[in-house]
Amino acid sequence: GENVEQHPSTLSVQEGDSAVIKCTYSDSASNYFPWYKQELGKGPQLIIDIRSNVGEKKDQRIAVTLNKTAKHFSLHITETQPEDSAVYFCAASPPHDMRFGAGTRLTVKP
Amino acid sequence: EAQVTQNPRYLITVTGKKLTVTCSQNMNHEYMSWYRQDPGLGLRQIYYSMNVEVTDKGDVPEGYKVSRKEKRNFPLILESPSPNQTSLYFCASSLRGSGNTIYFGEGSWLTVV
Repeated sequence: GENVEQHPSTLSVQEGDSAVIKCTYSDSASNYFPWYKQELGKGPQLIIDIRSNVGEKKDQRIAVTLNKTAKHFSLHITETQPEDSAVYFCAASPPHDMRFGAGTRLTVKP
Repeated sequence: EAQVTQNPRYLITVTGKKLTVTCSQNMNHEYMSWYRQDPGLGLRQIYYSMNVEVTDKGDVPEGYKVSRKEKRNFPLILESPSPNQTSLYFCASSLRGSGNTIYFGEGSWLTVV
C-alpha cells in the first residue's frame, strides 16, 4: 500500500520568513495530493491540493509543487504569520485509498 | 453550515467499559471514516464506509467496531476499551472517498484508565 513520509517533524521560523514542508510517497498510482492544516483543538482542514496532471498550484501565500518522477511533493508558505502556526499534514491518494504523513508542527515566532 | 459533528469531545473511562463515540455529517456524503491521531504517527485510519451498510477495516481496526445504518451517522464502538486506545479520534466524511476533500470533525479526546 501507499506509504507517505513527511519532513521535518517540527519547523520553527521567524515571522515573514518562508516555510517548506516536504513529503515523499511510494505508490506511483497516487494521483491526488492534499495538504491539511490542524489548529490547536480542532480537526484538520484542507488548505490546498494538487492532482497528478499539474506540477504546481498556488493560492495566495501557499503553494504546492509535485514531482511525479521523484515521487515527492512540497508545501511552501511565504511571508509566514503567527496564525500559520499549526500542524500540517500531507497525504497521497491512490485509487480507493488515502494515506497521511506523520505531520509537521510549524511555529512562527513573532 | 456543512459540518461533521462528533460526541463526546472529551471522555475519561475505565478499562473494559463499553463506549460509543457518535458521528454525524450533514453534507449527504457517501464516504465516512474514523481516524486516530497519536504523537509521531499522524492520522491512522481505523474503519471506513463507502456507503450505507458497507464498512471495511482500515489500518488499525483491532478493538473497534463501526456501523453505518444511515447515511449521515457512523458511530465508533469500543466494546472493551484498553489503555492503548487512549488517543485523539477524528470522524471524517467526503463525497466519495479517495480523490475528494475530506472533512474532519473537531475530534474526541479519549482516555482509558
